Amino acid sequence: GAVVSQHPSRVICKSGTSVKIECRSLDFQATTMFWYRQFPKQSLMLMATSNEGSKATYEQGVEKDKFLINHASLTLSTLTVTSAHPEDSSFYICSARDNVGGGIREQYFGPGTRLTVT
Amino acid sequence: AQSVTQLGSHVSVSEGALVLLRCNYSSSVPPYLFWYVQYPNQGLQLLLKYTSAATLVKGINGFEAEFKKSETSFHLTKPSAHMSDAAEYFCAVRGGNTGFQKLVFGTGTRLLVSP
Repeated sequence: GAVVSQHPSRVICKSGTSVKIECRSLDFQATTMFWYRQFPKQSLMLMATSNEGSKATYEQGVEKDKFLINHASLTLSTLTVTSAHPEDSSFYICSARDNVGGGIREQYFGPGTRLTVT
Repeated sequence: AQSVTQLGSHVSVSEGALVLLRCNYSSSVPPYLFWYVQYPNQGLQLLLKYTSAATLVKGINGFEAEFKKSETSFHLTKPSAHMSDAAEYFCAVRGGNTGFQKLVFGTGTRLLVSP
């Protein structure tokens, strides 16, 4: 199956700094990418959806100026957490989908990035 | 709004016993339904999906699920649990009232398998 990678897998940063997480589709072109946030022992909450070359669409309650999403190419999306605070500590998972051909295209998930803000 | 409900945050079974994880969806239009598995500190892996073809869907690792429109359910089953099945399982819905873009997840069910 298709593979989605995330880098880094774990990151620790100080409060007030920014951190960038990369999501790559390794063997397919991801026309749509999704970013999710998962708190311990909870479900995945969709943060935003991005289509290549377009601005991301953020879910209600997600601060777009804090969580900057860039989807500049068909294989790479980045999530930058700006001015991070301890409450931003979480597990961030990206997902990618190839929409070519229509129909119900499968979403492939990355392995996640655990962010800890001290 | 479109949603899925997973009954039971934890399900415990013995190795070799039947696994049944429940999922109900709310939608006036039959959606597409998915089951994913998540192992600790990992992303999600697709187990199976329902996309309006056969109502009984077979997936990987011996899992299957049956779409029952009359019950708005999509329960996940496996005849005989293995220790390696211990993980978090998420039911998810896409389409229907939600539209085709968003995948909405249930709250998850942790499957515990004892020897």
